[in-house]
Amino acid sequence: SQQGEEDPQALSIQEGENATMNCSYKTSINNLQWYRQNSGRGLVHLILIRSNEREKHSGRLRVTLDTSKKSSSLLITASRAADTASYFCATDKNTGNQFYFGTGTSLTVIP
Amino acid sequence: EAGVAQSPRYKIIEKRQSVAFWCNPISGHATLYWYQQILGQGPKLLIQFQNNGVVDDSQLPKDRFSAERLKGVDSTLKIQPAKLEDSAVYLCASSLEGGYGYTFGSGTRLTVV
Repeated sequence: SQQGEEDPQALSIQEGENATMNCSYKTSINNLQWYRQNSGRGLVHLILIRSNEREKHSGRLRVTLDTSKKSSSLLITASRAADTASYFCATDKNTGNQFYFGTGTSLTVIP
Repeated sequence: EAGVAQSPRYKIIEKRQSVAFWCNPISGHATLYWYQQILGQGPKLLIQFQNNGVVDDSQLPKDRFSAERLKGVDSTLKIQPAKLEDSAVYLCASSLEGGYGYTFGSGTRLTVV
């Protein structure tokens, strides 16, 4: 399966701290995306990183990609209570254009 | 820009009944996806459309699930007959090009009792 695996499954931090989530996948990819899902809602696209990129920033988000290790990390700096959500990585196959989602990391930011 | 519209928001049915979900993607988005998300899991791709053609339906349980996108715009997903294990949130997503920056709808939460 192309599905990624996020680690940890659950993470609880204090507001203001940084949160790091990791994603590992099995086969070669073209692109990797990170999504956020608030409870009971649809998924929101956060950032896309291509296989030839190593790092990407968007506001308080920093994503890294190590294709040699088939892994990615999402760093949220200076976390806020509003960042409480589940975070998913999604990977494509290098021959297709469908994205496959991992199992997610549930982040709780305590005010 | 209007988002991806899905309806109904919630549905409760008895097992062996039929149910249909509707999705209207963002205008101009050629690619449409249906995902199934079981509680506590990540979304699982069921089917991908490019305009009105099916690109990938390899994970769609075709004995009970069907989907169509007749005019290349909105789409319906049907389950007939439903089983208890079909209880999940059904998410529709669309994108301009296949696989880049999906926009998801809010989903339909199905409960089969």
